[in-house]
Amino acid sequence: AQTVTQSQPEMSVQEAETVTLSCTYDTSENNYYLFWYKQPPSRQMILVIRQEAYKQQNATENRFSVNFQKAAKSFSLKISDSQLGDTAMYFCAFIPLAGAQKLVFGQGTRLTINP
Amino acid sequence: DSGVTQTPKHLITATGQRVTLRCSPRSGDLSVYWYQQSLDQGLQFLIQYYNGEERAKGNILERFSAQQFPDLHSELNLSSLELGDSALYFCASSVGGTSLNEQFFGPGTRLTVL
Repeated sequence: AQTVTQSQPEMSVQEAETVTLSCTYDTSENNYYLFWYKQPPSRQMILVIRQEAYKQQNATENRFSVNFQKAAKSFSLKISDSQLGDTAMYFCAFIPLAGAQKLVFGQGTRLTINP
Repeated sequence: DSGVTQTPKHLITATGQRVTLRCSPRSGDLSVYWYQQSLDQGLQFLIQYYNGEERAKGNILERFSAQQFPDLHSELNLSSLELGDSALYFCASSVGGTSLNEQFFGPGTRLTVL
């Protein structure tokens, strides 16, 4: 069974700072996708960034980037120049390329950006 | 706005009752997924349908059932409700039924069981 672990229940930084959220996962699969989802107070689940396990290059989306370490089964999210609108719960998620098409989520990290 | 709609937005009911949550996928999407977000269990996958057929099942209770209709909308039926069923229920949809396809989430239905 796949599991996703986010070891930081809460984090808080000042606006414009850089923050890194941690995520580790456990799987015996070789091909899979990893995601970071953002859930603001509105509760909408918003996809932030996606990484294919077969790609060595780390994914980036504007101010968001990941550090994907496949051997270590680590997938951290870096937010640069943080903004007040980044305040949200962030969930790391995993889905195997084959088998059941279900997203497996971590417990989430509550990120607060302070003015 | 993801294009996935869910109704109702909020639902308050009593223990022992039965409710139906409805999801309309994005136009053109064939696959629908249901997830439950609760304080105790976090975000958990319940069930997936693809073009009317059940494709995958997660930790869905026997008191819960779902279906996808010919027009591709889906309903999640929750019966004999318990306090612990209080949660945010998300529907997501994707074009296909594989991991290659991004899942787009609806706004959720918040269920409160009193």
